[in-house]
Amino acid sequence: QKEVEQNSGPLSVPEGAIASLNCTYSDRVSQSFFWYRQYSGKSPELIMSIYSNGDKEDGRFTAQLNKASQYVSLLIRDSQPSDSATYLCAVNILATGGFKTIFGAGTRLFVKA
Amino acid sequence: GAGVSQSPSNKVTEKGKDVELRCDPISGHTALYWYRQSLGQGLEFLIYFQGNSAPDKSGLPSDRFSAERTGGSVSTLTIQRTQQEDSAVYLCASSLSGGTNTGELFFGEGSRLTVL
Repeated sequence: QKEVEQNSGPLSVPEGAIASLNCTYSDRVSQSFFWYRQYSGKSPELIMSIYSNGDKEDGRFTAQLNKASQYVSLLIRDSQPSDSATYLCAVNILATGGFKTIFGAGTRLFVKA
Repeated sequence: GAGVSQSPSNKVTEKGKDVELRCDPISGHTALYWYRQSLGQGLEFLIYFQGNSAPDKSGLPSDRFSAERTGGSVSTLTIQRTQQEDSAVYLCASSLSGGTNTGELFFGEGSRLTVL
């Protein structure tokens, strides 16, 4: 089992719709979870972090965490064509000397105008 | 500098040559990570540093790969006797509180390595 798993997509949604991105992780000790956005040819940039069970909202983005199910999701409301990118789920997992950040393979999102 | 700086941005080399990739993290960030991203793929963890120490080197693909960090700042990733499968973008990231269970990563622009 991979440490962080995501559906590779592509996920295609019409403009204005809600995009739902999902991620599961294997390390029960993990406490820190992140969503990064990566445009083609660019480096990843952090869009959301979440550390507690429940929902965390920031503008059009909502991150959801369920530690019992080892599940993290990202909702993008009122999707825009500019949201088209690859979304990477990242989890801090227990490693030698502390924790290290491991990424999922990413989900490609296309928002159609 | 204001962000994570990587050099060179682009490197083309011949198979069998050695290459060095450099990363200058955000000032004050104690943790530094190296990842590799092949075309269309996710980020593959290589190594991370907490200060000058590398607690976890488990992601290095082979003994041709090594990394060091000096003065708790600049890091160098060295690939010896490069192979074509080493071609990828090498991304460096730094974090204010790595090694603990927090830590948002800030990435550099990457070094694109092409091995002919």
